[in-house]
Amino acid sequence: AQSVSQHNHHVILSEAASLELGCNYSYGGTVNLFWYVQYPGQHLQLLLKYFSGDPLVKGIKGFEAEFIKSKFSFNLRKPSVQWSDTAEYFCAVNGKGGGNKLTFGTGTQLKVEL
Amino acid sequence: DAGVTQSPTHLIKTRGQHVTLRCSPISGHKSVSWYQQVLGQGPQFIFQYYEKEERGRGNFPDRFSARQFPNYSSELNVNALLLGDSALYLCASSLVGTTNTGELFFGEGSRLTVL
Repeated sequence: AQSVSQHNHHVILSEAASLELGCNYSYGGTVNLFWYVQYPGQHLQLLLKYFSGDPLVKGIKGFEAEFIKSKFSFNLRKPSVQWSDTAEYFCAVNGKGGGNKLTFGTGTQLKVEL
Repeated sequence: DAGVTQSPTHLIKTRGQHVTLRCSPISGHKSVSWYQQVLGQGPQFIFQYYEKEERGRGNFPDRFSARQFPNYSSELNVNALLLGDSALYLCASSLVGTTNTGELFFGEGSRLTVL
């Protein structure tokens, strides 16, 4: 069975600080990996995705994530966060050909203070 | 452009009742998926429908059922409601049936409270 573990449930940062959110997954096959973000009062939206190729993927708003296959990890990073990055971040995985059956982690609530 | 729309946005039911939640996908999207998000947890997959056929089912009891209509809209039905069914129910649509070539677009959700 697939599972996703997000290590930090709540993170508080000051503006301009660097961000790294951890994500580890468990799955016995080839995977697609995703980070979704939910801003306050808004719906879930895709931040970035990895299907194949370059393990360093870039998403919207300056976010990037690195797939490390040997570590089953897909950590999210941003060099300098802004107050507007305050949101909940979800890591998700599905197996190749797994349709839209995404397995999500429990989420990380990020608060960026001015 | 209209995104994924869900109705109702909030509803309150009592134990043992039945509920129907509705979802309209983005125009042109043929796949609809349903997820349950309990407070403090990530969304959990319930169903996927593509071209009106069930293409995937999560680990939910038979009290949960769904269908997709010819216009690609979808309904999620839950019978014999339990307190534990209280959650945010999310609908997501995509152009195709897999995430290999597209992304999921989520609606705002239907917040169900069971008393």
